[in-house]
Amino acid sequence: DQQVKQNSPSLSVQEGRISILNCDYTNSMFDYFLWYKKYPAEGPTFLISISSIKDKNEDGRFTVFLNKSAKHLSLHIVPSQPGDSAVYFCAARGFGNEKLTFGTGTRLTIIP
Amino acid sequence: GAVVSQHPSRVICKSGTSVKIECRSLDFQATTMFWYRQFPKQSLMLMATSNEGSKATYEQGVEKDKFLINHASLTLSTLTVTSAHPEDSSFYICSARWTGAYEQYFGPGTRLTVT
Repeated sequence: DQQVKQNSPSLSVQEGRISILNCDYTNSMFDYFLWYKKYPAEGPTFLISISSIKDKNEDGRFTVFLNKSAKHLSLHIVPSQPGDSAVYFCAARGFGNEKLTFGTGTRLTIIP
Repeated sequence: GAVVSQHPSRVICKSGTSVKIECRSLDFQATTMFWYRQFPKQSLMLMATSNEGSKATYEQGVEKDKFLINHASLTLSTLTVTSAHPEDSSFYICSARWTGAYEQYFGPGTRLTVT
């Protein structure tokens, strides 16, 4: 039962353009969402998060959008840079639950 | 801030032996630590959650007698893989959070190979 889904296993984007990574969830009890970036053979690095009471959160080049009615969130990276090439995981947490549920990841490749 | 280290970064052991992996929070007190396992090209699978001074809570299907977790202090948790078998070969990652934080901060991971 995959409660957090990232339907695109891979994405290629030209350097300087916008990268949009998508994530869908099924559990309506999730109230906090996070994006992590992961390089091979390394642990994930926290990027940005959003609470369910918001629909947008920005941090520099990274913006996360949340559409609760659609149970969908997206991560926008603009402009995309070669160093952004990595696997991106979205994760969700339920109210009062310290565990995170991770999606399957999207491999982003930035083309110079 | 929020740095988590893991040691060793990679380890090779023989089948039947035990191996210990350490996870340390370097600049914060980790009231909760988590242990994950990642298979190639797959997502992170939570193995167990440990709170300082308490017994770890294991996810369904994870053998607690095989994967021993100790969270003896606010900065250190250890995972011991006992009687390791080749199928235990994997990438093990720990994470930590402080009280009230929603984010988990991850260590760099440990590649375990059992021969």
